[in-house]
Amino acid sequence: EPEVTQTPSHQVTQMGQEVILRCVPISNHLYFYWYRQILGQKVEFLVSFYNNEISEKSEIFDDQFSVERPDGSNFTLKIRSTKLEDSAMYFCASSGDRDTPYEQYFGPGTRLTVT
Amino acid sequence: AQSVTQLGSHVSVSEGALVLLRCNYSSSVPPYLFWYVQYPNQGLQLLLKYTSAATLVKGINGFEAEFKKSETSFHLTKPSAHMSDAAEYFCAVTLGGKLTFGTGTRLTIIP
Repeated sequence: EPEVTQTPSHQVTQMGQEVILRCVPISNHLYFYWYRQILGQKVEFLVSFYNNEISEKSEIFDDQFSVERPDGSNFTLKIRSTKLEDSAMYFCASSGDRDTPYEQYFGPGTRLTVT
Repeated sequence: AQSVTQLGSHVSVSEGALVLLRCNYSSSVPPYLFWYVQYPNQGLQLLLKYTSAATLVKGINGFEAEFKKSETSFHLTKPSAHMSDAAEYFCAVTLGGKLTFGTGTRLTIIP
């Protein structure tokens, strides 16, 4: 069964460093998303991406964040200068095949720890 | 705007008892509603969905949910709890784009 994959599973970085989180969405999906979940809190929407551009973003998704689909299969989230408060689990999701256009399927997540 | 409210951050039931997890939504137009389950240190797995077809929706692992427009509710039920059901459950709503999640309900199963 097709699934969303994410790498790495755990990333530790120092404050101020750049990190890139990688995702491979389900191959025939058209919409891509990033969410985050701070420990013990609910899942929050960051950004959605369609047709090679951002379609919606939240207040959290400020200038420190960017997304890219560099090669038609990968979908990346970059944080330019990490802060302590960026420590969270980051989930990638995809949706938009013909049969299930609104179902979002999530990857296993990347746990980002900023020290 | 869209939102969901999950009543009860923690629910405990005995093994074999009925599971009822509550979710109420707010939306300006008919929404799509979902329940996701998150096992410890894992991602989000889709349990079931409502996308304006049948109001009683059946999902995986014996769970089902009923969409009640008059009550703006989408409660999750399972007739008989199993130890493996212990997890965090999230209700989510979308109008076709981003998902908005509730705060989650942690389900504990008492042996």
